[in-house]
This record gives sequence, C-alpha cells and structure tokens, in this order.
Amino acid sequence: GAGVSQSPRYKVAKRGQDVALRCDPISGHVSLFWYQQALGQGPEFLTYFQNEAQLDKSGLPSDRFFAERPEGSVSTLKIQRTQQEDSAVYLCASTPYGSYNEQFFGPGTRLTVL
Amino acid sequence: DAKTTQPTSMDCAEGRAANLPCNHSTISGNEYVYWYRQIHSQGPQYIIHGLKNNETNEMASLIITEDRKSSTLILPHATLRDTAVYYCIVRAPNSGNTPLVFGKGTRLSVIA
Repeated sequence: GAGVSQSPRYKVAKRGQDVALRCDPISGHVSLFWYQQALGQGPEFLTYFQNEAQLDKSGLPSDRFFAERPEGSVSTLKIQRTQQEDSAVYLCASTPYGSYNEQFFGPGTRLTVL
Repeated sequence: DAKTTQPTSMDCAEGRAANLPCNHSTISGNEYVYWYRQIHSQGPQYIIHGLKNNETNEMASLIITEDRKSSTLILPHATLRDTAVYYCIVRAPNSGNTPLVFGKGTRLSVIA
C-alpha cells in the first residue's frame, strides 16, 4: 500500500520567502509528526497532531513556523520569512493510533534557503 | 526517555554480520529499546524493538544484556543496501503520542 508521501521533495527558497510543505500520511493514521533534520544530525521533533488537533508544538523553533491538519489527514508545514538556518530536511511521520509506537516516515522535503 | 550512546561509524564487509552496539545505562524497567535506520535520502525506517528478551524479525536480531544497560543490533548477512545511519532509541511503553528522540546514530558502511 501507499506509504507516507511528502511534496515537494526539494524546495529552494530565497531568504524572506514563505514556503509550504505538504505531508500525506498513510490513510487512516491518526497521529502525525513533523521533524526537522539538519545535515549530519538526527531528526528533531517539531510538532504533533492527533487527528486535526495539534497537541504539541513545543519543537517549533520560532513563530515563523506554523503547521495545520484541518481535516485530520493531510498536513501542511508553513515557514514564513525563511532564513538560511531553516535549511534542512523536513520529515513527516504517521502512526495508526495514539498508543502505537512505530512511526512510518515519508521521504522528506529538502529545503534550501539561499 | 533514557539517553543512548552509539559509535559514530562502523564498517562491515558485505556478507558478514554487522553488530551495532548501543549503551543505555539509565534505561528504566519498563522502557523499550527501538532501532530505526535511515538510508541516504530516505526517511527513517523502523527495524525492531524489545524489552528484555532477545528479538528477531526478517530484518535483524536484537540482543539486550541481562542488566538492560546495553544492546546490540545484528544484521546477520549485511548487504550494500544496509549502508545507512542506525539509531538506537529508548521509549516508554504506549508512548505513541510522544515524538521519537534521535541521537546522531551510527553510520554503517557495508563494503564490497
């Protein structure tokens, strides 16, 4: 079956531009996570949704980062006024229900801010 | 979740067993050991997890010491496609509502 998909796979933005990154979780998966992965580092948590509710956004690095999941399926991570330090791979993961431990990851979106 | 320590990198000859160690000396009695791997340009992929008994699946085996302070992931016959970064993660049970906490992992290079 289809896994987690993310689009675009690659995004180049000029400093100051707004970007929107999309995540399509596995159908029926309740939980959705966003992670940021800098070069040479492990992924770091950004935010978590259970259905449409954003239950944890403690990892968002600044108020320029905003995530939504309005219908409890597709999620969008938006970064306003991008800065060079936002350059990273943004990973999305989903799980079928809250207590399930294995997370299924998408391939990520590589964002480069010039 | 308890902190884990892994070697930065390892090499393994193709066809040989790859043994990846992980120290988790502060693990609590009910915390599980999870392993994920991340192949270049892909997202992390779940491999295996265990509590105290050794576990085996189609991808790997997990050996956890009796005191649970360390574990070893074993890939019995490594192939070039096993070249990846391997992450050892300790998690509480039923923690699906919490994020995975990744360290830097071990970069495994399988050499022909």
